[in-house]
Formats: sequence, C-alpha cells, structure tokens
Amino acid sequence: DTAVSQTPKYLVTQMGNDKSIKCEQNLGHDTMYWYKQDSKKFLKIMFSYNNKELIINETVPNRFSPKSPDKAHLNLHINSLELGDSAVYFCASSPAELASYEQYFGPGTRLTVT
Amino acid sequence: GENVEQHPSTLSVQEGDSAVIKCTYSDSASNYFPWYKQELGKRPQLIIDIRSNVGEKKDQRIAVTLNKTAKHFSLHITETQPEDSAVYFCAASGRYGNKLVFGAGTILRVKS
Repeated sequence: DTAVSQTPKYLVTQMGNDKSIKCEQNLGHDTMYWYKQDSKKFLKIMFSYNNKELIINETVPNRFSPKSPDKAHLNLHINSLELGDSAVYFCASSPAELASYEQYFGPGTRLTVT
Repeated sequence: GENVEQHPSTLSVQEGDSAVIKCTYSDSASNYFPWYKQELGKRPQLIIDIRSNVGEKKDQRIAVTLNKTAKHFSLHITETQPEDSAVYFCAASGRYGNKLVFGAGTILRVKS
C-alpha cells in the first residue's frame, strides 16, 4: 500500500547522459512536488504541479523537465547530466496547492553521475 | 523570498534528556511551520506542525512553540530515546503559502 512511490531507487550514469525518474501517488492528492537533497542534506524544492499544471519552477536549469501526465503521476527528465546533479531526488504529494498541508514523500531516488 | 535558519546543525544528548532545535524565518507572512524527521536512508516524514494562530502545540514527547513577533519557532523533544536519532528539518510556508522553505537540518544523536 505504498502512498508515494518512485522508480528507480538508484541511478548511476555518466556525464552527458539523459535519464528519467518516475513518481506515482495513490493518495488522490492534487499537488505533487520534486525536491533535491544534496550531499549536505539540504532539501530544496524544484517544481510543483497542481492538477497537472506547473505551479512552481524554482530557477532550475532547463535541462530538468518535469511532466505530469495526470494528477497521480509526476516524472522528471534530466538531459545532459552533470556531476553536480548527483543527489537524492524526492517526489512528494499533498492534498492541495497550499503548502499548509502535510507533504508525503516518496522513498527517494539516489542519482550518481560519474 | 523566505529564508529559514536552523540551529544547531548537530546535537548530541544522553538518552532521557531533552533536545531543543530552533529555527528563525524571515517572511512575516509565513503562517505554517512543520517539522519533518528523516531517518538515515529514509524519506522525510511530518512529526508535528503549527500554524500562526497558535503559540504552542504538543504531541506526547514532542512540542513546538512559535513566537511570531520574533519570527522563531522551536522543536522540543523530552525523554529522548535512541530511536529519536535522525535529521530534523524545520520549514516555513513563505509569503504566498504555496511552497515550503526548509531549514538546513539538525542531526540529532541520542546516546544510550
């Protein structure tokens, strides 16, 4: 009964490659997020979508392109991967667009770029 | 935009002692302040939250206090146990209330 799931859990790839991370939630939530957690554990929002519509884009390089085919799914595609993209990427969901609701995080995807 | 500072960055306590983690925020329009706990290798999970119309909230061994005038809020854990060892993040909802801005995290170690 996983609420928020992500695939893959681990991703090791070389610089310059393109990769995707998928996220699905079965909570019936309207809003989904992508966060990046760097090696110092700092957790920073990248994107948020509400009912498939992009709400927040936090000055992320345009090599990162999120896509929400429906409100239960939010994928992240990364082009031309760089060493600095190595991090743990968390997907999250919440019932509504306002941040004043609990956010449910997925298990994370650890991306390592070599 | 909103800026959240969190102290200390690491905290070691003896089992049974209390632990206090403090955060300050910059935007007086922020009205929601959650605390997330992240165990090693796991996902962040909400442990307690407080809204700007409340000064204090308690849930068993965990309490949060909010001082809107000073723009700071704190997490208090009493009777700490080894399973409380984790990274704790505070956050604030920011001016438009549509995203959380997280503090840098506090590594709490409870020694038995």
